[in-house]
Amino acid sequence: DAKTTQPPSMDCAEGRAANLPCNHSTISGNEYVYWYRQIHSQGPQYIIHGLKNNETNEMASLIITEDRKSSTLILPHATLRDTAVYYCIVRVELVTGTASKLTFGTGTRLQVTL
Amino acid sequence: SQTIHQWPATLVQPVGSPLSLECTVEGTSNPNLYWYRQAAGRGLQLLFYSVGIGQISSEVPQNLSASRPQDRQFILSSKKLLLSDSGFYLCAIGRYSGANVLTFGAGSRLTVL
Repeated sequence: DAKTTQPPSMDCAEGRAANLPCNHSTISGNEYVYWYRQIHSQGPQYIIHGLKNNETNEMASLIITEDRKSSTLILPHATLRDTAVYYCIVRVELVTGTASKLTFGTGTRLQVTL
Repeated sequence: SQTIHQWPATLVQPVGSPLSLECTVEGTSNPNLYWYRQAAGRGLQLLFYSVGIGQISSEVPQNLSASRPQDRQFILSSKKLLLSDSGFYLCAIGRYSGANVLTFGAGSRLTVL
């Protein structure tokens, strides 16, 4: 699996957009970019994933560069409840009979402040 | 929708005592199941995964074991706990194919004294 690099921490004012970057310069053509987050003392929560095209759901938007070597997770209007560690993971699609075996690195600790 | 039950939520155990953490899931059949551990201030470490009843794969050598006696039941055990076994244990359910979307339970926090 491709390695990812994320800044260790970021701050964001409540109500502003939080833009979390992730570098994955060794990503392969069949690897997807996944984002999870972990709020303190809880299990990780899936946010979004994508292959090439930008993706949006009710939680966030995912922008993947044309060369796919980096991506940005965007929380359009951050709230205090978005304070968490955000993990960027690169992984091929799951084949039936195998397991996801996701590796969660150290991620980016996002602190949303008033 | 899928629901994951983990218990106990917290426990304090002496070194050398046995351990049994249980995870049961609802709302799905034939899921992939996972046990992760997060030590204090550390990242998540995949311990075991299972793609079917009785099928257990271990990711790291340790004094823990896992079993899947039923399709929707996943158990983490130890015969003798070590101090280093302290941590936050998370059970997760995943799809059997396609996107790598895992849903995590609320976790069991273990302190070994």
